[in-house]
Amino acid sequence: EIQLQESGPGLVKPSQSLSLTCSVTGYTITSGYDWSWIRKFPGNKMEWMGYISYSGSTNYNPSLKSRISITRDTSKNQFFLQLNSVTTEDTATYYCARYEYSGTFDYWGQGVMVTVSS
Amino acid sequence: DIQMTQSPPSLSASLGETVSIECRASEDIYSNLAWYQQKSGKSPQLLIYYASSLQDGVPSRFSGSGSGTQYSLKISGMQPEDEGVYYCLQGSKYPYTFGAGTKLELK
Repeated sequence: EIQLQESGPGLVKPSQSLSLTCSVTGYTITSGYDWSWIRKFPGNKMEWMGYISYSGSTNYNPSLKSRISITRDTSKNQFFLQLNSVTTEDTATYYCARYEYSGTFDYWGQGVMVTVSS
Repeated sequence: DIQMTQSPPSLSASLGETVSIECRASEDIYSNLAWYQQKSGKSPQLLIYYASSLQDGVPSRFSGSGSGTQYSLKISGMQPEDEGVYYCLQGSKYPYTFGAGTKLELK
């Protein structure tokens, strides 16, 4: 069974960096698919942040400009999110998910709530 | 970015009632549209992909239709477990974009 699990700090100070890990079991992230980060803001708005592909290429939402980086550790079957210079507007629940095609995220993590506050 | 306009923002349905949720894209997305259900405290679950294909394990009362810029999700016979927030998502162009969500409650 394929499972994704997010981990990371639940509280980050403004101007600092947010770092999250997605651990994948049941499937090797270098075998296929794109591996994404998605967030849900308070009030239900959802935003796709970006992905790292099975080959290691990345694609980011332009709204995040140069603040975002998605990397991976293939030896641990994990991928990571780093979001720099966070503000209170980055407070959200962050999900990792596997992307197949045509808008299809077929496996999701359970989500991790991150609050940006001093 | 492709804008996804989802309606209605909320709706209340009686047991067994048929419910429809609409999404309109700001440009043609060539059926690259998925529907998700999110229950409180849980991650989103894929219901429909490629506009009308039912994900494995999803009850057949869920169906999707549409093409071009107009898409809809229908629930044929509301059940208590169908309460939640429903989202459409376009996967035609980067960045992928979601609708604003529809909160569905049992009346």
